[in-house]
Amino acid sequence: AQSVTQPDARVTVSEGASLQLRCKYSYFGTPYLFWYVQYPRQGLQLLLKYYPGDPVVQGVNGFEAEFSKSNSSFHLRKASVHWSDWAVYFCAVSMDNYAQGLTFGLGTRVSVFP
Amino acid sequence: EAAVTQSPRSKVAVTGGKVTLSCHQTNNHDYMYWYRQDTGHGLRLIHYSYVADSTEKGDIPDGYKASRPSQENFSLILELASLSQTAVYFCASSDKQGAIDTQYFGPGTRLLVL
Repeated sequence: AQSVTQPDARVTVSEGASLQLRCKYSYFGTPYLFWYVQYPRQGLQLLLKYYPGDPVVQGVNGFEAEFSKSNSSFHLRKASVHWSDWAVYFCAVSMDNYAQGLTFGLGTRVSVFP
Repeated sequence: EAAVTQSPRSKVAVTGGKVTLSCHQTNNHDYMYWYRQDTGHGLRLIHYSYVADSTEKGDIPDGYKASRPSQENFSLILELASLSQTAVYFCASSDKQGAIDTQYFGPGTRLLVL
């Protein structure tokens, strides 16, 4: 069975600093990987998604992620954080039967301070 | 922009009572999902559907039923609500490739069972 681990429950970062959120997956096969963001009191929104191909994926709002098969990782990065990036970020992997929805990590809560 | 709406947005229910959560999408999407979100568990899949009049069990279906009477509508039913079902419930929809397509989430329903 597939699983996703986000080792950092909380991250605090200064506005303008860089951000990296870690994601490790366990999946036997070719993974489809996603980062979703949840702003306060809202549903989740897609930041970016990885389909087999180029390991570096560009997303919205300056986010990018890099897939590594050797490390079973899909880390999210942003060069310069804005206060509006205060949110919870979820990494997810598609299940074996992609009709069955996604397996999500527990999320990383990002707090941005001036 | 894809649109998924949920009703009610919040609800207080009594233990043993029946609760129905409704979801409506205007995206003309084939797939619909119900997730629950709990602190410490991230999002977990309860039920999903890929066609009207058919539903499938997800990872945690016990205590829940689902109904998809039309392509646009997908309901989650708690026949006998229990304290452990206190959570935030999210509905999502996606197009023909299921979970590997972008999932569009509703704003969530906060359910408190007393």
